[in-house]
Amino acid sequence: DARVTQTPRHKVTEMGQEVTMRCQPILGHNTVFWYRQTMMQGLELLAYFRNRAPLDDSGMPKDRFSAEMPDATLATLKIQPSEPRDSAVYFCASGFRAGAYTDTQYFGPGTRLTVL
Amino acid sequence: SQQGEEDPQALSIQEGENATMNCSYKTSINNLQWYRQNSGRGLVHLILIRSNEREKHSGRLRVTLDTSKKSSSLLITASRAADTASYFCATDLQGAQKLVFGQGTRLTINP
Repeated sequence: DARVTQTPRHKVTEMGQEVTMRCQPILGHNTVFWYRQTMMQGLELLAYFRNRAPLDDSGMPKDRFSAEMPDATLATLKIQPSEPRDSAVYFCASGFRAGAYTDTQYFGPGTRLTVL
Repeated sequence: SQQGEEDPQALSIQEGENATMNCSYKTSINNLQWYRQNSGRGLVHLILIRSNEREKHSGRLRVTLDTSKKSSSLLITASRAADTASYFCATDLQGAQKLVFGQGTRLTINP
């Protein structure tokens, strides 16, 4: 049963520390998305990749957030330095896009980040 | 306001009743998708309806799409306690290469 995996599931850190979240997309998928979910803002798209190339990261605070796909089996989202307002659940999702349409996205279980 | 706005924001019904949630959007779409999120979990895809389709069924789910009104509805028939979750619509905007999610409808099924 193929699924998206994310690590860690929970992370508590202090303000100013670096946080790295990892995602393993479903094998064969060519798009990867990073979302952030909070009660106030709902689900926000931070960045997404297609065939490992970043297509859009306009949703990310550029000064502290960075997203990469070092290879097809790993996507990372890094926050440095972290701030309390970054506390949220971060979801990774993967899918397959072959043309003009965005098909189903498969979500991971999320990383619940708390920045003290 | 956002693309893909759900209505109502919250809905509470008795088990066995039907639940209807609506989604409105602003610009042309390729397709519209509905997702469910149980508390503390990731989103799970329920159903996808393409812009040239008007209605689609999957088990107890029925989705309609009216592109002239830029709206969609999700009907869950014979609701069960396990249907308690948040439901999100997501629009695949033409030219955008991404999904835009609404704020969701929180559905509670009372036993």
